Amino acid sequence: RKEVEQDPGPFNVPEGATVAFNCTYSNSASQSFFWYRQDCRKEPKLLMSVYSSGNEDGRFTAQLNRASQYISLLIRDSKLSDSATYLCVVNRPGSARQLTFGSGTQLTVLP
Amino acid sequence: NAGVTQTPKFQVLKTGQSMTLQCAQDMNHEYMSWYRQDPGMGLRLIHYSVGAGITDQGEVPNGYNVSRSTTEDFPLRLLSAAPSQTSVYFCASSYSSAGKGVDAEAFFGQGTRLTVV
Repeated sequence: RKEVEQDPGPFNVPEGATVAFNCTYSNSASQSFFWYRQDCRKEPKLLMSVYSSGNEDGRFTAQLNRASQYISLLIRDSKLSDSATYLCVVNRPGSARQLTFGSGTQLTVLP
Repeated sequence: NAGVTQTPKFQVLKTGQSMTLQCAQDMNHEYMSWYRQDPGMGLRLIHYSVGAGITDQGEVPNGYNVSRSTTEDFPLRLLSAAPSQTSVYFCASSYSSAGKGVDAEAFFGQGTRLTVV
């Protein structure tokens, strides 16, 4: 089983749609969770950290369910500029700065 | 601040050649890492460093060496290039989040696209 699993997509949605991405992780001792965004042929950039209580940043909402070892990202009112690959990232417990990346979910927002 | 700078951006090597991918950061970050990204596999950790003079192996270290003589620089050496090392390589740095209870954001360089023929 992969340490971090994501639905690879692709997700093709119209502008204005709401889209949700899911991610599961295998190590129950993981403490840090992130969503990164990666544009085509570019480097990954932090979209948002994921906190136990859930957190929201504008149109983006991240949720964490520790019991199910599940992380989600909700994008509301999709924009063309949201088209990218979204990477679920989890830390590997006990090791400094070892982050484990999911293989990413590709999103295309259509006009 | 330039952030994390990687050079070169593109490189073609012949099988058996060696080369060094350069990575420098100007944010005084303690932690630096090298990843490779292959289609459908996500980013995989090659080597990482928690400070000058300290390095350790990641998930896929074979065929690569690193050193960390200064806080700013973390070069990745390919000892004898193989076609299996064709990939996009990313260097990343991050800062200590001691006391916050969560790991901090990783900042990535723009990547090096390496082709081994």
